Amino acid sequence: GAVVSQHPSWVICKSGTSVKIECRSLDFQATTMFWYRQFPKQSLMLMATSNEGSKATYEQGVEKDKFLINHASLTLSTLTVTSAHPEDSSFYICSAPKLGRGLSSYEQYFGPGTRLTVT
Amino acid sequence: GENVEQHPSTLSVQEGDSAVIKCTYSDSASNYFPWYKQELGKRPQLIIDIRSNVGEKKDQRIAVTLNKTAKHFSLHITETQPEDSAVYFCAASREAAGNKLTFGGGTRVLVKP
Repeated sequence: GAVVSQHPSWVICKSGTSVKIECRSLDFQATTMFWYRQFPKQSLMLMATSNEGSKATYEQGVEKDKFLINHASLTLSTLTVTSAHPEDSSFYICSAPKLGRGLSSYEQYFGPGTRLTVT
Repeated sequence: GENVEQHPSTLSVQEGDSAVIKCTYSDSASNYFPWYKQELGKRPQLIIDIRSNVGEKKDQRIAVTLNKTAKHFSLHITETQPEDSAVYFCAASREAAGNKLTFGGGTRVLVKP
């Protein structure tokens, strides 16, 4: 199967600072990647779609100026949480679709997640 | 946009019994329905998926059924084992590289030995 990595796996930052999270597709190229946020005991909520070489598409209610997404290459997307506050503390997970063996269907490969704690 | 409802939110079963989780979706154009198992603090793991051109798919103890007319799909786990204890999520999407998954609310399954 394909591999998607995230870095860091966990981070603690002070309120008001910015944090960058990286998502990499290690063995395939991804023109699109997705960023999800998951609060404790809740489901994965899509934040935005990261598009290589163009602007990200944000879901309704997600502040694009607060959650900056950059997809500068076919294997790397970054999510920067700017001016972080305690309510931004969450589990952030990325995913990237890869074409299956039959070349007719896609499967989403998830990163291991990044646990962000803002103090 | 797509909306996925999942029931029940929690499910407790005795080891060896079957577990059934049901999901409904709203977008009739959705054609890909994966199921994920997530353990605490880990990434979701795909356990089975089904596409709209089939009504049922089985993989050992796990099966998924899809009713396109009613817009609902279900996960069936037979002969449950303690290691099946986890949170399970259904999802729906219009399958393509740029199409996003919409997740159900999740079902916390506890298999009691």
